[in-house]
Amino acid sequence: NAGVMQNPRHLVRRRGQEARLRCSPMKGHSHVYWYRQLPEEGLKFMVYLQKENIIDESGMPKERFSAEFPKEGPSILRIQQVVRGDSAAYFCASSPYRGHTGELFFGEGSRLTVL
Amino acid sequence: AQSVSQHNHHVILSEAASLELGCNYSYGGTVNLFWYVQYPGQHLQLLLKYFSGDPLVKGIKGFEAEFIKSKFSFNLRKPSVQWSDTAEYFCAVTHGGDSTLTFGKGTMLLVSP
Repeated sequence: NAGVMQNPRHLVRRRGQEARLRCSPMKGHSHVYWYRQLPEEGLKFMVYLQKENIIDESGMPKERFSAEFPKEGPSILRIQQVVRGDSAAYFCASSPYRGHTGELFFGEGSRLTVL
Repeated sequence: AQSVSQHNHHVILSEAASLELGCNYSYGGTVNLFWYVQYPGQHLQLLLKYFSGDPLVKGIKGFEAEFIKSKFSFNLRKPSVQWSDTAEYFCAVTHGGDSTLTFGKGTMLLVSP
């Protein structure tokens, strides 16, 4: 499913720099989810957004991480002052509406490496 | 908080062997259950899902899963695996009207030809 587009696919940052990951949902989908996959771990929920709204950010670290989904353009996951522990694969998924309990459609992920 | 446990982190099988991957969840209310697969270098794809009805669910590529409510389990099965089934398999759950998936840690399946 090439519908959910994430970029960049790979990102290398030095400690202290900022990382910005972008996600364009499938056409017709207005809800976006971000998940993080650490080595040897499953996918951990981070944040759930609708256009211009954060619905659930219970999985987001309290500091340095933020997410937005503006009225126009992709959703962005922003990590400020990255540390080595932020190295992970970040996956975006989309769904057509709130409360949709069916399939989420995933992008191919953005792999962040912090040196 | 709900959680999902996958029993095996790595499974190695020969082609034509039968497969069963275990999945247990902790939530006691109404749940929706999913198995996703991630082939090397690709995005996660849905294999199958259970919402209600027949507890034996058939998915794509010959996979099936059985929901056993009394055991809080949703094990994935395939009678005869192929080399192309080499991938990572994730069990996931949503509950009630929530659409946020909770994933297990995944099982890496390696099928040798």
